[in-house]
Amino acid sequence: SAVISQKPSRDICQRGTSLTIQCQVDSQVTMMFWYRQQPGQSLTLIATANQGSEATYESGFVIDKFPISRPNLTFSTLTVSNMSPEDSSIYLCSVTSGGNEQFFGPGTRLTVL
Amino acid sequence: TQLLEQSPQFLSIQEGENLTVYCNSSSVFSSLQWYRQEPGEGPVLLVTVVTGGEVKKLKRLTFQFGDARKDSSLHITAAQPGDTGLYLCAATSGTYKYIFGTGTRLKVLA
Repeated sequence: SAVISQKPSRDICQRGTSLTIQCQVDSQVTMMFWYRQQPGQSLTLIATANQGSEATYESGFVIDKFPISRPNLTFSTLTVSNMSPEDSSIYLCSVTSGGNEQFFGPGTRLTVL
Repeated sequence: TQLLEQSPQFLSIQEGENLTVYCNSSSVFSSLQWYRQEPGEGPVLLVTVVTGGEVKKLKRLTFQFGDARKDSSLHITAAQPGDTGLYLCAATSGTYKYIFGTGTRLKVLA
């Protein structure tokens, strides 16, 4: 298993600003993912964070809006840029380490005013 | 676009009752998972099924993968308040990426 922490756990931000969310894993993992969960809804994959190269984004998500870094096998960041109220969501980091089980972080609850 | 539809969307039952949650798609999947998510936490994996017709049991929870690998069900026997949460199915067609179902929010009343 993997233990994942995210910072911050929650934040309230002003429209037009940016927020960087950190994801730290207690062991080296193969794959790291970023998801968005809008209020009362399911999870939508934003991108796969690739170590040493650019992230792979899903349809509807772009690097300018959601830049992602993954400098090593245990850490990744997701930035939500130029925020609007529609970006209010829970942002979740998840990892896999060879098998098909995903382990999720506790999430970052973002509110944009 | 692959879609995973869950039903019901919401369910409120009394402690001790049984319930079934369904996860349906028109696509064939190589693997399907069920997760439970509690408020303020990330989803936690309950089970993975990979073979058509497969049935797995986890205490009072029974999971079944459809014969055609397009659908799945989760049955809870004698529900308890601790079963309260958001239940999510997730499936893959063979890649490392999973798509998540629409979710079923369960509330078990004491």
